[in-house]
Amino acid sequence: AQSVTQLGSHVSVSEGALVLLRCNYSSSVPPYLFWYVQYPNQGLQLLLKYTSAATLVKGINGFEAEFKKSETSFHLTKPSAHMSDAAEYFCAVSSLSGGYQKVTFGTGTKLQVIP
Amino acid sequence: NAGVMQNPRHLVRRRGQEARLRCSPMKGHSHVYWYRQLPEEGLKFMVYLQKENIIDESGMPKERFSAEFPKEGPSILRIQQVVRGDSAAYFCASSTEGRGNQPQHFGDGTRLSIL
Repeated sequence: AQSVTQLGSHVSVSEGALVLLRCNYSSSVPPYLFWYVQYPNQGLQLLLKYTSAATLVKGINGFEAEFKKSETSFHLTKPSAHMSDAAEYFCAVSSLSGGYQKVTFGTGTKLQVIP
Repeated sequence: NAGVMQNPRHLVRRRGQEARLRCSPMKGHSHVYWYRQLPEEGLKFMVYLQKENIIDESGMPKERFSAEFPKEGPSILRIQQVVRGDSAAYFCASSTEGRGNQPQHFGDGTRLSIL
């Protein structure tokens, strides 16, 4: 079984401040990890993915995430928040189960950026 | 643009009617996933299909809900005799293969409202 926990359903940061969105996972097999962003009335867009290569993954829009196996974490960061970053962010874990891909999403974190 | 296409974007039904939601995957994608999203609850997996086969329907209610992905044409999520609790956003995603390391690409969803 696998699961994802996103700490903090709402996060507020000031424009220009560091963004840190937390994600912890559990998986009985080596996982693949993803971060997605969802803007209002839209589907999810892939931000970045970890697939067992480099542990520090760079994504679009200046976001990056670091895979830490010892902490079972995959936190999303951005050095300087922009107003356009206001959205909902989902962490997801994917692994093979019964011969096919099983993806589990976290419950999401809504990011508010304060001018 | 060869993204995942869902239609309709908005669907209104009265209790007891049927709802049909359509999803055309990205070109070259043969794996389709359906999710339901309720406010503050994140994405809930419903069903995973490949062409003409249901691979995993563990997240789909046993009654009133069905899904198909025929050899030709879009994937269909069908809800019979809708009830108020079926009101939600339904998202379709597709991927090239189900090996775990491929991200899912999402459509913009169908927002179903039950009167």
